[in-house]
Amino acid sequence: AQSVSQHNHHVILSEAASLELGCNYSYGGTVNLFWYVQYPGQHLQLLLKYFSGDPLVKGIKGFEAEFIKSKFSFNLRKPSVQWSDTAEYFCAVAPGGFQKLVFGTGTRLLVSP
Amino acid sequence: DAMVIQNPRYQVTQFGKPVTLSCSQTLNHNVMYWYQQKSSQAPKLLFHYYDKDFNNEADTPDNFQSRRPNTSFCFLDIRSPGLGDAAMYLCATSSRESGRYEQYFGPGTRLTVT
Repeated sequence: AQSVSQHNHHVILSEAASLELGCNYSYGGTVNLFWYVQYPGQHLQLLLKYFSGDPLVKGIKGFEAEFIKSKFSFNLRKPSVQWSDTAEYFCAVAPGGFQKLVFGTGTRLLVSP
Repeated sequence: DAMVIQNPRYQVTQFGKPVTLSCSQTLNHNVMYWYQQKSSQAPKLLFHYYDKDFNNEADTPDNFQSRRPNTSFCFLDIRSPGLGDAAMYLCATSSRESGRYEQYFGPGTRLTVT
């Protein structure tokens, strides 16, 4: 079945550690790709997006993601996390570039000071 | 600031008692969505409006209905809430720019069913 997979459900890091969250999707053809973040008690916010062009995209708060078409992956990275990055992170795919999003199950990140 | 607003933020209803959740937007987007998000799960699309065209997801229960009286407002009606309908309900909007869509989310309404 077509889906979006996030491999890590819970990640615990110390401040200044590097972060990489995996995301794989199973849709062929054109896709638009997104990472959303949900801070505790807050609404979903867009971190970054990929539509086309440079497969390495930079988002807000020092996050970046790399689209690897051959691997159907869109992994999220940050070189040095902060306590304020504690949140839930969702990968989302718009198959065909259309208006509907399919979300992954989310990764809950806890950064200890 | 342009935004997506959801009211109320918290809603308590009784088993079987109809409830309506509200969403409004100042972004003038032509697409509006309703998602259901249960604890520790991904948001699940219930339906969306593309302008006035209603698009229901195949697995959305008949218990869930929606209305969009104008561009700015969209309502989610749950006709007979069950305990399993307790969840966070998210409204989102998007617009076609350069052939691409980016969704903007409201803060959500947390529904409790007693």
